[in-house]
Amino acid sequence: GAVVSQHPSRVICKSGTSVKIECRSLDFQATTMFWYRQFPKQSLMLMATSNEGSKATYEQGVEKDKFLINHASLTLSTLTVTSAHPEDSSFYICSAPPTGGNPQYFGPGTRLLVL
Amino acid sequence: AQSVSQHNHHVILSEAASLELGCNYSYGGTVNLFWYVQYPGQHLQLLLKYFSGDPLVKGIKGFEAEFIKSKFSFNLRKPSVQWSDTAEYFCAVTAGGSTLGRLYFGRGTQLTVWP
Repeated sequence: GAVVSQHPSRVICKSGTSVKIECRSLDFQATTMFWYRQFPKQSLMLMATSNEGSKATYEQGVEKDKFLINHASLTLSTLTVTSAHPEDSSFYICSAPPTGGNPQYFGPGTRLLVL
Repeated sequence: AQSVSQHNHHVILSEAASLELGCNYSYGGTVNLFWYVQYPGQHLQLLLKYFSGDPLVKGIKGFEAEFIKSKFSFNLRKPSVQWSDTAEYFCAVTAGGSTLGRLYFGRGTQLTVWP
């Protein structure tokens, strides 16, 4: 099946710094990618839809200036957590649908810990 | 807005027992339905999906799910579980015909199978 990778798999940073997370589709092109956040023992919450060549679409309650998304190419989307704070600590997961719809293929996730 | 409910948060079974995990959604229109599984330390993987046609769909590893439109349900079943089925199971829904593939997830059900 289609493969989606994420880098880094885990990152620890100091409060106030910015962290960039990459999501790549390895064997297919994706005009759309999705970024989710997963809290322990809870569901995946969609944060934003990343669109190649245009601005990302953010879900209600997600600060677009804090979570910067750039869909640089048909195989790469990045999520930058700016001025990270401890409450941003979470598991961030990206997904991409090869055909532009469903099903989606998920990356392995990035564990962010902000000290 | 759409929502997905998984009423069983944690299910514990012995090997060879039968499994049924409940999933209900709230959306009046056409839907696409999915079950994803997340094994410990791994990323989300698609178990099965329903787009249209036969409401009884078969997935990988002996899992199946039945779409009952009148009950807004898409329960996951397996006649005989194995220890290796220990994982977190997520039900997800997207509006049929959605070109964005925007998924709504349930909060997940942790399945623990004792050998």
